[in-house]
Amino acid sequence: VRLVESGGGLVQPGGSLRLSCAASGFTFGDYAIHWVRRAPGKGLEWVSGINWNSGKISYADSVKGRFNISRENAENSVYLQMNSLRVEDTALYYCAKSIGGVANYCDYWGQGALVTVSS
Amino acid sequence: QSMLTQPPSASGTPGQRVTISCSGGSSNLGGSNVIWYQHLPGAAPKLLIFSNNQRPSGVPDRFSGSKSGTSASLAISGLQSEDEADYYCAVWDDALDAWVFGGGTKLTVL
Repeated sequence: VRLVESGGGLVQPGGSLRLSCAASGFTFGDYAIHWVRRAPGKGLEWVSGINWNSGKISYADSVKGRFNISRENAENSVYLQMNSLRVEDTALYYCAKSIGGVANYCDYWGQGALVTVSS
Repeated sequence: QSMLTQPPSASGTPGQRVTISCSGGSSNLGGSNVIWYQHLPGAAPKLLIFSNNQRPSGVPDRFSGSKSGTSASLAISGLQSEDEADYYCAVWDDALDAWVFGGGTKLTVL
């Protein structure tokens, strides 16, 4: 199982960024995928999750209305569109594979993509 | 603010047994199985315990988990220097429709 995040970078407050998570080594279309972040000096924070067919999507209150998760099973990829970014969104963003649906725990994680929101 | 409470730090000497607690409420720990992750700096988080007390293959039996009511704990016996890491409990919260992580416990091996 391999999960590789990309798309991180430096963006100004109010800006947008799109993260990608490329998966391999498992039947991608069978599992939910999550995004979890860790801000500098803080702990892990769950951001969003999407089930196998995009029929169930959940967001943390801190990103609801600003972030949008999506997936393309034909490309074995999940995306996180981040809009109206705030300084407090600065973090290392991990994508993680669930053992089943959105309410199931994650068994594999990527190495993360760094997002820095600063003027 | 996390709704799962963990001590910010814990420590022990090599060979010792340490325990990390995780306390929550009826809407999260009280109704869901707890998961534990280990996070070393610069690495991907690693699944340590699932379903309160189950270890994935490859996780040493030095690591064990338990849960009672709205509290859970992770125990590490025979402490080793490579166990120095951050440890997180997590549960699915049906009321929030979201995963909730504890604030994390930084384990130092003295």
